[in-house]
Amino acid sequence: DTEVTQTPKHLVMGMTNKKSLKCEQHMGHRAMYWYKQKAKKPPELMFVYSYEKLSINESVPSRFSPECPNSSLLNLHLHALQPEDSALYLCASSQDRRVTSGNTIYFGEGSWLTVV
Amino acid sequence: AQSVTQLGSHVSVSEGALVLLRCNYSSSVPPYLFWYVQYPNQGLQLLLKYTSAATLVKGINGFEAEFKKSETSFHLTKPSAHMSDAAEYFCAVRTGGSQGNLIFGKGTKLSVKP
Repeated sequence: DTEVTQTPKHLVMGMTNKKSLKCEQHMGHRAMYWYKQKAKKPPELMFVYSYEKLSINESVPSRFSPECPNSSLLNLHLHALQPEDSALYLCASSQDRRVTSGNTIYFGEGSWLTVV
Repeated sequence: AQSVTQLGSHVSVSEGALVLLRCNYSSSVPPYLFWYVQYPNQGLQLLLKYTSAATLVKGINGFEAEFKKSETSFHLTKPSAHMSDAAEYFCAVRTGGSQGNLIFGKGTKLSVKP
């Protein structure tokens, strides 16, 4: 069963707030990802964690702070966001970062973020 | 560099008609190719993937795709569209050259008319 669970599904926050998005997977995957998706656009990679260590940061502003407490959990801490940060934030996971035939990236349902 | 081009940002078909969504890739090494579907207000769900085992790949919900190296294509088809197929479809490529990351096409929105 492939399942990536994200909470909350919807989040409205002010520009001075601090909030967090959470992601959990129980597939034993060792790579986890955060993507940002704006309306009518494909997902854009933000961060990649491999074996609980940050391996890719795609020049994301520091108001987004990822955290990987353990191999099953991935958080995205949000602080002082701007209205243009409103988007769908998708968490994903894969067995690891190797590109092999069986190593598929699986996505969660996403968290809809609105910054007011 | 790897890239994916999806021809047609919007495709409209009648219920029961053939669905054809086009995807062309660019890769200097053998690619792994994927089709993901995104239903309204939901995340991405894997439809099918090409991993070099077979050129014709069958996925969920009656979809299939054929890898054609000579045409650098990986078009998605379904013989008979259903209303529930209405969604956004993304083609993606993944190779070691992109650090293992998915490179997405811009997406094709499929509408199904009754």
